[in-house]
Amino acid sequence: NAGVTQTPKFQVLKTGQSMTLQCAQDMNHNYMYWYRQDPGMGLRLIHYSVGAGITDQGEVPNGYNVSRSTTEDFPLRLLSAAPSQTSVYFCASSYKGGSGNTIYFGEGSWLTVV
Amino acid sequence: GENVEQHPSTLSVQEGDSAVIKCTYSDSASNYFPWYKQELGKRPQLIIDIRSNVGEKKDQRIAVTLNKTAKHFSLHITETQPEDSAVYFCAASRGNNDMRFGAGTRLTVKP
Repeated sequence: NAGVTQTPKFQVLKTGQSMTLQCAQDMNHNYMYWYRQDPGMGLRLIHYSVGAGITDQGEVPNGYNVSRSTTEDFPLRLLSAAPSQTSVYFCASSYKGGSGNTIYFGEGSWLTVV
Repeated sequence: GENVEQHPSTLSVQEGDSAVIKCTYSDSASNYFPWYKQELGKRPQLIIDIRSNVGEKKDQRIAVTLNKTAKHFSLHITETQPEDSAVYFCAASRGNNDMRFGAGTRLTVKP
């Protein structure tokens, strides 16, 4: 099992450019998430999905889109990058929702918008 | 929604001493409280968790306590070692899509 795999690990974008962060999991998890991590602010949920074809917004969804066409994949799209989106992005998954289901994180993607 | 506050933001201890990190939460309906450890440049990883029907849970040198009435929970690390140095995050949730994380505590264990 590779677990949760996300790419790229590092990316530099110019303001206004668009890009997609890829995420895949091979644990047959139903739930997938995208978080961003900023200094002093912990992990904030951007979007999540409870299964293929279903997505919903988290705490900080503006400027991001997601889709979930398969159980395995959950890409995050930045529509028009802004310096405020400079952050570390973590994709994560869990078997199901509800308390007590461990969330497994990918290795992170460091994004800089200049 | 849920709001989680975590203190202190940085903590430095001597090897062998104990470390305590505290979190408070706002939503009385929250019933699951995990703790994650994140080493420098790595992904967060679950180290221990507790549910609201339990007051304390231990796993070797790590323990978590929960006070539902006061809405706070704490992580206790005993006999700290240099490899315990990391950022620790607490979180509170009623379900995985509403999990809220604290801002993190950077623990440094000095040899």
